[in-house]
Amino acid sequence: GAGVSQSPSNKVTEKGKDVELRCDPISGHTALYWYRQRLGQGLEFLIYFQGNSAPDKSGLPSDRFSAERTGESVSTLTIQRTQQEDSAVYLCASSLRGRASYNEQFFGPGTRLTVL
Amino acid sequence: AQTVTQSQPEMSVQEAETVTLSCTYDTSESDYYLFWYKQPPSRQMILVIRQEAYKQQNATENRFSVNFQKAAKSFSLKISDSQLGDAAMYFCAYRSTITTPMRFGAGTRLTVKP
Repeated sequence: GAGVSQSPSNKVTEKGKDVELRCDPISGHTALYWYRQRLGQGLEFLIYFQGNSAPDKSGLPSDRFSAERTGESVSTLTIQRTQQEDSAVYLCASSLRGRASYNEQFFGPGTRLTVL
Repeated sequence: AQTVTQSQPEMSVQEAETVTLSCTYDTSESDYYLFWYKQPPSRQMILVIRQEAYKQQNATENRFSVNFQKAAKSFSLKISDSQLGDAAMYFCAYRSTITTPMRFGAGTRLTVKP
């Protein structure tokens, strides 16, 4: 596809369940980012992948959060034992080269997660 | 850590008029990048304009321009000839040349009145 895609668009889950969110970056983009956006707030950095380098996990809020990316393709963000405070929109972005800070990040439409 | 502050939670403007959205940031670095992103109800974040801190000249993109005041650590966005399609949340963002995370402000919701 032409842009970053994310699935599912919306996810409703019960407290304590695990969820997996998926991101398909733009083909050829080596850098991939996950952000969390709570209602009425700005974006909060979660994790960053750059090619085959070790990911920057400095933004993950707890060990219930993890993410994987195989090479320069799809990434999945997993939240284990979800809690109501995890309710938010999770946005994925990709760019050509993460270290070239000027490069534009292209965002997906996000996944709205609701934990009941 | 760098912080980005948008002091206007909501702004409104009449169609065809001009509006300025404020953004200030805190950093000890001398070289960095600043961005304005637009987020319409579709949730898709769209880059509006960007500025490199070492450039004195303010960036412009058609109806969008910035007023970058490096000493004051201010980066405001001016939208000229506002259109109904400009209605959205606008986020100011900072990115260091050293670290990778982009820091976002809390956003300003812009309403355009016909």
